[in-house]
Amino acid sequence: AQKITQTQPGMFVQEKEAVTLDCTYDTSDPSYGLFWYKQPSSGEMIFLIYQGSYDQQNATEGRYSLNFQKARKSANLVISASQLGDSAMYFCAMRGINTNAGKSTFGDGTTLTVKP
Amino acid sequence: DTEVTQTPKHLVMGMTNKKSLKCEQHMGHRAMYWYKQKAKKPPELMFVYSYEKLSINESVPSRFSPECPNSSLLNLHLHALQPEDSALYLCASSQTGTGENQPQHFGDGTRLSIL
Repeated sequence: AQKITQTQPGMFVQEKEAVTLDCTYDTSDPSYGLFWYKQPSSGEMIFLIYQGSYDQQNATEGRYSLNFQKARKSANLVISASQLGDSAMYFCAMRGINTNAGKSTFGDGTTLTVKP
Repeated sequence: DTEVTQTPKHLVMGMTNKKSLKCEQHMGHRAMYWYKQKAKKPPELMFVYSYEKLSINESVPSRFSPECPNSSLLNLHLHALQPEDSALYLCASSQTGTGENQPQHFGDGTRLSIL
């Protein structure tokens, strides 16, 4: 079975500062992908960043980077230079090559609030 | 603007009504998904269509009936819903149904309220 754990129900960050959202995972799949999604209060779920289990480099997309530590089974999202529009719920998710093919396993989410 | 379009954005219906949720994507994706999401919770998978065939049904009650008329369209037919079915319903798509490296692209969702 796959499991995603997000231990921070809520986080606060000052505008323009960096913030790290934690995600740990567990899987028996030899190949898997890790994803982060952002969900503002309006409801749409926005794909932010992807990390493959065999990727040597940490993924980056603009102000988002993924701190992937395979041995620790962690895939933390780092948001640099936070903006007010970053206030949202953030979900970490994974898909495995074998387990639950076709399904994504989601964590419980972290609500990020950016303070002006 | 999202590349997955869901209509309607809001829906209020009685327990005896019949209604449908619609989802459309033009990214050439061959897998489409329905999720149910309660407030402050992660989305829960309901159905997966892969190449227009139903590949996953997560033991969803029969009052929810999915339909995939073609590779771009996904419907969710609703009948005799219960108050606990009130939720945000999200549609998503991905290139295929099984790739571990494929992100899902979500629509804006339909907020459904059952009276």
